Amino acid sequence: QKEVEQNSGPLSVPEGAIASLNCTYSDRVSQSFFWYRQYSGKSPELIMSIYSNGDKEDGRFTAQLNKASQYVSLLIRDSQPSDSATYLCAVNGYNFNKFYFGSGTKLNVKP
Amino acid sequence: NAGVTQTPKFQVLKTGQSMTLQCAQDMNHNSMYWYRQDPGMGLRLIYYSASEGTTDKGEVPNGYNVSRLNKREFSLRLESAAPSQTSVYFCASSERQGSNQPQHFGDGTRLSIL
Repeated sequence: QKEVEQNSGPLSVPEGAIASLNCTYSDRVSQSFFWYRQYSGKSPELIMSIYSNGDKEDGRFTAQLNKASQYVSLLIRDSQPSDSATYLCAVNGYNFNKFYFGSGTKLNVKP
Repeated sequence: NAGVTQTPKFQVLKTGQSMTLQCAQDMNHNSMYWYRQDPGMGLRLIYYSASEGTTDKGEVPNGYNVSRLNKREFSLRLESAAPSQTSVYFCASSERQGSNQPQHFGDGTRLSIL
């Protein structure tokens, strides 16, 4: 079982719609959760971090965490073609200095 | 403000050759990491250095060695390259060891081994 699981997609949404990206993790002691965006051929860039159960909003992005269900999600409101990228979920491991990354979900936003 | 700088950006090697990937950060971060990224596999941690003078193995350390030369620099060495090591290599850094610290990535090194 992988430490972090993501649906590889592609997830296709029309411009202006809400994109919902999901991630599950296996280690119950995980404390920190991150979403990275990676454009094709580029390096990952941090979008959001979340540490407590509930929602955290930053502009058009909302991260949601449910530790009981071991589930973290990213909502992108008013999706734009420029949001088309692969989104990586990252979770800290039992050793807090090790992060485990999911394989990423490819998002396509169609004009 | 350069952030995390990796050299080279591209490299082609023959099986059995050796090479060192260089990484330097100018953010005064304590922790540094090396990842590889393969299609469908996500990012996998090769080695990390929690602080200057320390290094530890990650998920996939076999075939690699690292050196934390000083606080700024963390190099990755392939002693005898194998085709299975064809990948994109990313270096990352974070402020300090700790679960709430995000990692900042370099632009990557695209390595092909024939």
